[in-house]
Amino acid sequence: LAKTTQPISMDSYEGQEVNITCSHNNIATNDYITWYQQFPSQGPRFIIQGYKTKVTNEVASLFIPADRKSSTLSLPRVSLSDTAVYYCLVGGERNQGGKLIFGQGTELSVKP
Amino acid sequence: GAVVSQHPSWVICKSGTSVKIECRSLDFQATTMFWYRQFPKQSLMLMATSNEGSKATYEQGVEKDKFLINHASLTLSTLTVTSAHPEDSSFYICSARDLLAGGDNEQFFGPGTRLTVL
Repeated sequence: LAKTTQPISMDSYEGQEVNITCSHNNIATNDYITWYQQFPSQGPRFIIQGYKTKVTNEVASLFIPADRKSSTLSLPRVSLSDTAVYYCLVGGERNQGGKLIFGQGTELSVKP
Repeated sequence: GAVVSQHPSWVICKSGTSVKIECRSLDFQATTMFWYRQFPKQSLMLMATSNEGSKATYEQGVEKDKFLINHASLTLSTLTVTSAHPEDSSFYICSARDLLAGGDNEQFFGPGTRLTVL
């Protein structure tokens, strides 16, 4: 399963756009890229998933370049409640048993 | 969206006792559930993959005789921590895959169970 590398922490202010980049140089052809958010003492919450190019939903956008060796989660106009740990994961394909291996994640701190 | 529950949400037990944690998919069926463990300020560590009707697959370094997993139905998997010791104190999280989901890979996570062994 592809290993991911993310910044350990990031700081931002309310109302700013936050971009968190994840490197996954060894991503396999069938791997999807998925981002989760986790608050303290809670289970991870799905944010967005993509395979290539750009995906957007009501909470975030995911940018994936053509070589798929990295991806960027974009959070528009963050608020204090977006303070959390964000995990980038690759894999999860049925032929891999659906396993997701968590990296260290990025601890995002949003300040007023 | 799909909901996964865990019970109990927290448990305190004495050293040497066994503790059972339940993971349920409430509104979908899941042939596969996953169990994770998370220590403070650390990431989630995958412990095992729980398959309905078959033996669980454990990750390297996870003792299968200590962490017993039973996946008896498409909506329930249980993790039993046997002869728990203080070093087993952790946050245990399960996740499940929805067979019928249009997205092929989304996993839904439970809220976690905080285990404290005295």
